[in-house]
Amino acid sequence: DIQMTQSPSSLSASVGDRVTITCRASQSISNYLNWYQQKPGKAPNLLIYAASTLQSEVPSRFSGSGSGTHFTLTISSLQPEDFATYYCQQSYSILMYTFGQGTKLEIK
Amino acid sequence: QVHLQESGPGLVKSSGTLSLTCTVSGASMNNYYWNWIRQPAGKGLEWIGRIYTSGTTKYNPSLKSRVTLSVDTSKNQFSLRLDSVTAADTAVYYCARLRGNQFGEQDKFDIWGQGTMVTVSS
Repeated sequence: DIQMTQSPSSLSASVGDRVTITCRASQSISNYLNWYQQKPGKAPNLLIYAASTLQSEVPSRFSGSGSGTHFTLTISSLQPEDFATYYCQQSYSILMYTFGQGTKLEIK
Repeated sequence: QVHLQESGPGLVKSSGTLSLTCTVSGASMNNYYWNWIRQPAGKGLEWIGRIYTSGTTKYNPSLKSRVTLSVDTSKNQFSLRLDSVTAADTAVYYCARLRGNQFGEQDKFDIWGQGTMVTVSS
């Protein structure tokens, strides 16, 4: 299995801050990396796919980058509605899709 | 607008069988892979398996011996069966659409159901 590791596990930030979340894969996955946002009691919502392509209707303050084993999700200016848990997910291995353990973004 | 809705018992006895159905509305099921993903309370996401409208399946190797997915395109539904459940199978179960290489794109879960909580009781 390809293991996905996110850091940090939790993060406190303020509205207006720039925030970066990191995801590392246990082997190279090219750019086969997706990011999801999950709010309490809700299903995950696709933000970014193919490492850097913004899903339709996702605000442009979200951006993704990386390839190989190292990826980042950046929120350029945090808004109140961005406080949530974020997950990365690899789609390189279609035999077994795997997710990171999540990064909880909390209000400072 | 595509909508997915999970349904099924919220309580299953230990050693029994968990059965859930996902109903797809607002679009055809054709040309997509349909998935089940679960999330224990306070924990991360675990992919269970996927099924194509032809019936072709792929399963998480750690669950493969206990999981069966099926699809009924005439009803716009697909289903999950998980045998020999234990407390470790207690989770919120999501159905999700996978959009990917059949459209010349990378795989991604682009539409999700709201999730349904299943508790395994002893």
